[in-house]
Amino acid sequence: SQKIEQNSEALNIQEGKTATLTCNYTNYSPAYLQWYRQDPGRGPVFLLLIRENEKEKRKERLKVTFDTTLKQSLFHITASQPADSATYLCALDPGGSQGNLIFGKGTKLSVKP
Amino acid sequence: EAGVAQSPRYKIIEKRQSVAFWCNPISGHATLYWYQQILGQGPKLLIQFQNNGVVDDSQLPKDRFSAERLKGVDSTLKIQPAKLEDSAVYLCASSRRFTGGAGELFFGEGSRLTVL
Repeated sequence: SQKIEQNSEALNIQEGKTATLTCNYTNYSPAYLQWYRQDPGRGPVFLLLIRENEKEKRKERLKVTFDTTLKQSLFHITASQPADSATYLCALDPGGSQGNLIFGKGTKLSVKP
Repeated sequence: EAGVAQSPRYKIIEKRQSVAFWCNPISGHATLYWYQQILGQGPKLLIQFQNNGVVDDSQLPKDRFSAERLKGVDSTLKIQPAKLEDSAVYLCASSRRFTGGAGELFFGEGSRLTVL
């Protein structure tokens, strides 16, 4: 059966360190993979989209990698700050004209000062 | 530009009662989605509209849930009768047309439903 797993429910790191979140999937062949940030009581907010033929994408302190052989995406936040504390959701897009997203459960990141 | 608007933000009802949620997407966005997010889980797609037509409603419990998008703009999601397991946040999202996939989704703040 199809499955999306985000490595852990919670990740605690020290301010200034790099946070690395993992998204693994099985029995999917996504055309795109997206990452969203969700704060408590708010809707998810789009961060980055990476295509299946792209290895890496960067945006300011954020970096996403996409390995279709390993069926894995890594999401990095460098020089992390307490304001980065939130839940991060991985979402797969099978592609095609229909186009909808399938979300993982999310990883709750806490950055301690 | 204005974001996705949803109402009400919070709703508490007894089981077997009915409830309706409203969503107004970003102007010009052809695609509208309703997702259900149970506490501690990721959002799960309930229904997807392209303009005013249904693209995917395979995970919508049709015996109790219904949704419509009149005139291809705003949308209403209804639950009747509600069950305890329907307690969740109902998220509306919209997107522009994107060749070959969903593209970036813009979410509203959600409507939190508690069924007692």
